Amino acid sequence: DAGVTQSPTHLIKTRGQQVTLRCSPKSGHDTVSWYQQALGQGPQFIFQYYEEEERQRGNFPDRFSGHQFPNYSSELNVNALLLGDSALYLCASSRTGNERTDTQYFGPGTRLTVL
Amino acid sequence: GNSVTQMEGPVTLSEEAFLTINCTYTATGYPSLFWYVQYPGEGLQLLLKATKADDKGSNKGFEATYRKETTSFHLEKGSVQVSDSAVYFCALSSGGYQKVTFGIGTKLQVIP
Repeated sequence: DAGVTQSPTHLIKTRGQQVTLRCSPKSGHDTVSWYQQALGQGPQFIFQYYEEEERQRGNFPDRFSGHQFPNYSSELNVNALLLGDSALYLCASSRTGNERTDTQYFGPGTRLTVL
Repeated sequence: GNSVTQMEGPVTLSEEAFLTINCTYTATGYPSLFWYVQYPGEGLQLLLKATKADDKGSNKGFEATYRKETTSFHLEKGSVQVSDSAVYFCALSSGGYQKVTFGIGTKLQVIP
């Protein structure tokens, strides 16, 4: 059973460019969340997708947007990249149901470097 | 809002030493509590969890007990190994939708 997968592994962009990161959830999971982890920090919640809709959002600007497809996979888009967007971007999948017992499972992340 | 406070590292221990990493939290309602581990160059792995007061989560020799009265979820291991060297994150989920709030992480280095 494949876990959460993310692509690409690494990415280098320049300021002002746009980037798209991809995530496939664990089998049986229908909910995808995205997190940003800056160097030396804990992950920060960006947003969560369920039934192809953004269900919850953290404190991130509109430059960060996403999408969920009918097969539950998801994309994270970041426009007008800033140096401060350099981070490890983590995708997590889970099942919507019993939130008290279900758990988010994380992918290996995409390392984004903005020059 | 929700928050997690954990001891700052790095923590350096000799192999077979006893480990404690402190974690306290602030949350609305009744959160679920987690410890995640991040090995160098990798993503996060769930280490253990507890979903209600007095529950004890355990895995790979690590344990943590959900203490509602002290709002704590300290991580312990009786005898650490070099392979336990990693960054450990305390985290909580509360208020529905499984959004997870993380602490800053504690780096553990175990030396032979």
